Amino acid sequence: GIQVEQSPPDLILQEGANSTLRCNFSDSVNNLQWFHQNPWGQLINLFYIPSGTKQNGRLSATTVATERYSLLYISSSQTTDSGVYFCAVERYTGNQFYFGTGTSLTVIP
Amino acid sequence: IAGITQAPTSQILAAGRRMTLRCTQDMRHNAMYWYRQDLGLGLRLIHYSNTAGTTGKGEVPDGYSVSRANTDDFPLTLASAVPSQTSVYFCASSPGGTGELFFGEGSRLTVL
Repeated sequence: GIQVEQSPPDLILQEGANSTLRCNFSDSVNNLQWFHQNPWGQLINLFYIPSGTKQNGRLSATTVATERYSLLYISSSQTTDSGVYFCAVERYTGNQFYFGTGTSLTVIP
Repeated sequence: IAGITQAPTSQILAAGRRMTLRCTQDMRHNAMYWYRQDLGLGLRLIHYSNTAGTTGKGEVPDGYSVSRANTDDFPLTLASAVPSQTSVYFCASSPGGTGELFFGEGSRLTVL
């Protein structure tokens, strides 16, 4: 299967700070998504971004498919941003999604 | 509200017992998936189904079985539960093709 590596594994931020989370993958992919798992365990879709750049409020993401990585930017972090951020990729259409082990983010007031 | 419903939310089970985790979606998605989430290991795919009537094995299929009799339902069965199957189980679905993946709320299973 495809290898997905996320960095950093853990991150502690002061409220208001900015951060960049990285996802590297070992092969070409057709599909890439970022998820946020909140402290209650819910997995929430952030971005569906196989290539290019998208923005949603304080969050944005960029995927450079040819170089096999994606970045998730969080600006002006808030305590509600705390949780684990996962990157997931799908190599072939209708195949299976492979997940990284996540970045655990803690935002302190 | 459209989405994915999992049941039960939480269950404690004696080793050796049979257990079925239920998953229903009302989005008419073609593809459905079962993942397990364990601390430090992220989410790992157990089984998947690209369309009704077909299933496939994921990364960690041993000890689990699935069926896909129709588009909406994708139950996961543990024929004889073992303590290593203690985990949080997530059902997911996608339209298929290069569609987005959506998750249910999860089912926390403890096998004693």
